[in-house]
Order: sequence, then C-alpha cells, then structure tokens
Amino acid sequence: KNQVEQSPQSLIILEGKNCTLQCNYTVSPFSNLRWYKQDTGRGPVSLTIMTFSENTKSNGRYTATLDADTKQSSLHITASQLSDSASYICVVSTTNNDYKLSFGAGTTVTVRA
Amino acid sequence: NAGVMQNPRHLVRRRGQEARLRCSPVKGHSHVYWYRQLPEEGLKFMVYLQKENIIDESGMPKERFSAEFPKEGPSILRIQQVVRGDSAAYFCASSPDRTNTEAFFGQGTRLTVV
Repeated sequence: KNQVEQSPQSLIILEGKNCTLQCNYTVSPFSNLRWYKQDTGRGPVSLTIMTFSENTKSNGRYTATLDADTKQSSLHITASQLSDSASYICVVSTTNNDYKLSFGAGTTVTVRA
Repeated sequence: NAGVMQNPRHLVRRRGQEARLRCSPVKGHSHVYWYRQLPEEGLKFMVYLQKENIIDESGMPKERFSAEFPKEGPSILRIQQVVRGDSAAYFCASSPDRTNTEAFFGQGTRLTVV
C-alpha cells in the first residue's frame, strides 16, 4: 500500500524563525514528490515539485529536499511570516498511475507574532 | 488556484437527500480529478474524468456515488441518499494532461450531513 507519512502533525513557531517539516513515503515506483500549502478553508496550492533526479528545489522562502534512496523529503521554511500559517501537505505520485496522487495528512504550522 | 471553481462552497443535506457538487476546471483543462478529505486525514483520490469519459473511478464508493464530466458544462459529483459518513470536504482539481503535474485545486465543497 502506498503511504505518505508526515511529521510533526503540528507545530507552533514565532514569526521570523525557521522550521523544517518531514515526509517519509513508501510509494513505488516513484514519479515525483510535491509539497502543497493549504490555507484553512481553501484548496491546496503547489509549492514545489521534484522528480527522482532532483535533490532540492526552492520557491521563495520555501526549500524542499528529496532523498529518493531513503524515500524522505523535507520542507524548510525560512524567516517565517504570519501568512505561512497553514497546513503543508506532502504528495507523491507513481509512474504506474501518475494521476493517482498519494497525500500525507499534512503538518499544521502556526506562526505567532 | 488559477481558475478551478467549485460550488457550492458549503452544502448541508439531511440524511437520505441527494448532494450535487459542481466543478468548473481551468479553461482549456480537459482532465478533472475529485478527492475527498476527512477531518485530520489526507486527501483521498475518488475519480478521474476526461471530457465525457470516466477514466478511473476506483476510489469512489460503488454505491450512491457517481461522477460525470459532460462535453459542455461543469463536472458533477453526485451523492445519492447521503449518510453522516459522507460529511467531508470534496476537492476538485484540473490539469491539461493526465500526469496531473500542473494540477490546480478548487477551494472545495464542504458537505455536512445532518
């Protein structure tokens, strides 16, 4: 069964601080890994997408890393802002059914002033 | 969320009623995907449609649930005889091709069954 596990489930950080979210997956065969940001009451919005050959990808203050050998990914948020408060979802797709995405349950990040 | 429109945003139905959820994809996108999100859980794939065709409905319950994407108009997810367990957020995504790489999500419809 393809699974995507995220940790921590939630975290609280002070504005301006950094944080790192973790994602472990067992999805196989691997096609790509994405990180989405989902604000409360909204749909997920793509932050980064990485294929097997990519180790890191940045989108502004968001930097994602991928280790396809250990099947781990991380999302690093630098200099957090209040608007970063959201759920961050790790999503993996397989080459078998590339449209059938496997979603993690998300990490809820709360940034406090 | 470049243009995927879902309506209604919130829907309340009594047990036994029908729920119809609509999704208008990004203009030019012919691939639509429906997902369900239960509280504290990740999104789960339900069905993948192209114009006038159901490609994969393996994630959709066989009873009471149906989906369509007609040649004209929005994609519809229909739930007949709703039960409390159907209460969830239903998200639609669209993409220009089947790989879903450039998928855009709508804001979801939150269905509450009372």
